[in-house]
Amino acid sequence: DIQMTQSPSSLSASVGDTVTMTCRASHTISSYVNWYQQKPGKAPSLLIYAASSLQSGVTSRFSGSGSGTDFTLTISSLLPEDFATYYCQQTHSAPHTFGQGTRLDI
Amino acid sequence: EVQLVESGGGLVQPGGSLRLSCAASGFTFNRYWMTWVRQAPGTGLEWVANIRQDGHETYYAGSVTGRFTVSRDNAKNSLFLQMNSLRADDTAVYYCARLPYNGVYSNDYWGQGTLVTVSS
Repeated sequence: DIQMTQSPSSLSASVGDTVTMTCRASHTISSYVNWYQQKPGKAPSLLIYAASSLQSGVTSRFSGSGSGTDFTLTISSLLPEDFATYYCQQTHSAPHTFGQGTRLDI
Repeated sequence: EVQLVESGGGLVQPGGSLRLSCAASGFTFNRYWMTWVRQAPGTGLEWVANIRQDGHETYYAGSVTGRFTVSRDNAKNSLFLQMNSLRADDTAVYYCARLPYNGVYSNDYWGQGTLVTVSS
């Protein structure tokens, strides 16, 4: 199975900041990475697919990059509604494993 | 509007069984792979299973293989998860999600989840 390791596990920032979080795959997975946002008590929502493609309806303040084993999610000009937990996921091969998440706090 | 609505969760004793359902609407259900994902209280997301459009290809997480079975009824736009031999560590919110292919597979729409509690 492919393991996905996210860092940091938690991150503190302020409104207006730009933050970056990373996800590392245990095997090379080309660009088969998705990023999701989850707010407490809610279902996850898709932000980025194929490592860098912005899901329809998602603000361009979110961006993704990477290929192979190392991937990043960047959020620019943080707004209050961005404080949530973010998960990466690989869909290169089953099982479609998730990272453990990065919690973004104020 | 795409909608996914899970049901069937509840309290079950260890060793018991439960069948979850996911009612899909707003899209052509038989054109999409579908996924079950779960989240234990206070923890992260765990992928559980995928099923192909025709139901003849399935994949499972190692933690549920041999105990859970994913299936679908395309005539009724419904996805199912039959869970047997339930254990305390199966306690979680279970989500169904659509799995389209846009160069990669990604879960673009999710239901609100249904809570399964395994406890005596």
